[in-house]
Amino acid sequence: DAKTTQPPSMDCAEGRAANLPCNHSTISGNEYVYWYRQIHSQGPQYIIHGLKNNETNEMASLIITEDRKSSTLILPHATLRDTAVYYCIVRVAGSQGNLIFGKGTKLSVKP
Amino acid sequence: ETGVTQTPRHLVMGMTNKKSLKCEQHLGHNAMYWYKQSAKKPLELMFVYNFKEQTENNSVPSRFSPECPNSSHLFLHLHTLQPEDSALYLCASSQAFPGQGNSPLHFGNGTRLTVT
Repeated sequence: DAKTTQPPSMDCAEGRAANLPCNHSTISGNEYVYWYRQIHSQGPQYIIHGLKNNETNEMASLIITEDRKSSTLILPHATLRDTAVYYCIVRVAGSQGNLIFGKGTKLSVKP
Repeated sequence: ETGVTQTPRHLVMGMTNKKSLKCEQHLGHNAMYWYKQSAKKPLELMFVYNFKEQTENNSVPSRFSPECPNSSHLFLHLHTLQPEDSALYLCASSQAFPGQGNSPLHFGNGTRLTVT
């Protein structure tokens, strides 16, 4: 299984960009990188995913390195409501594609 | 509104009780999942259903019994639980298995279960 490594916690000032790193050095060529977040007392929320190219949607941008061994989730203008645990996940081979969540990064956005 | 609705939001039950958790998705998805989230632990996948057929049981004790009568509904029947089963139980759905396309999981807000 491709495993991911994320810092356990990060702080970000409100209004600034939050850059959340993820290492996935054993990722296979056909595995996607997914990002989810979980705000306290809620279920995880899908943010974005990608395979090779950088991706952007209304919530965030995903930058994947050329060798695909790491990626960065960018929240361009973090707000207090972005305080959450952010999970970087890659597809688990041999389990019919089910996602396995690690411990994630606890992002604290501060005024 | 996430498109995935779980009831009840909170449940307290004794170890000899029988209860059921319900999940309904309004997204037209064909895969549904149960996850367990214990305090300070990562989410643990419990069961997977694809087109109403169970395709994965992640070594879950038999006191947890899933049921998927159709692609929109998923139940988790609980009986003779232990206090260590207290956790947040999350339901999710997807159009197809994640990673085999671009089909992310959509989660409900969970049922907070306390076993006394």
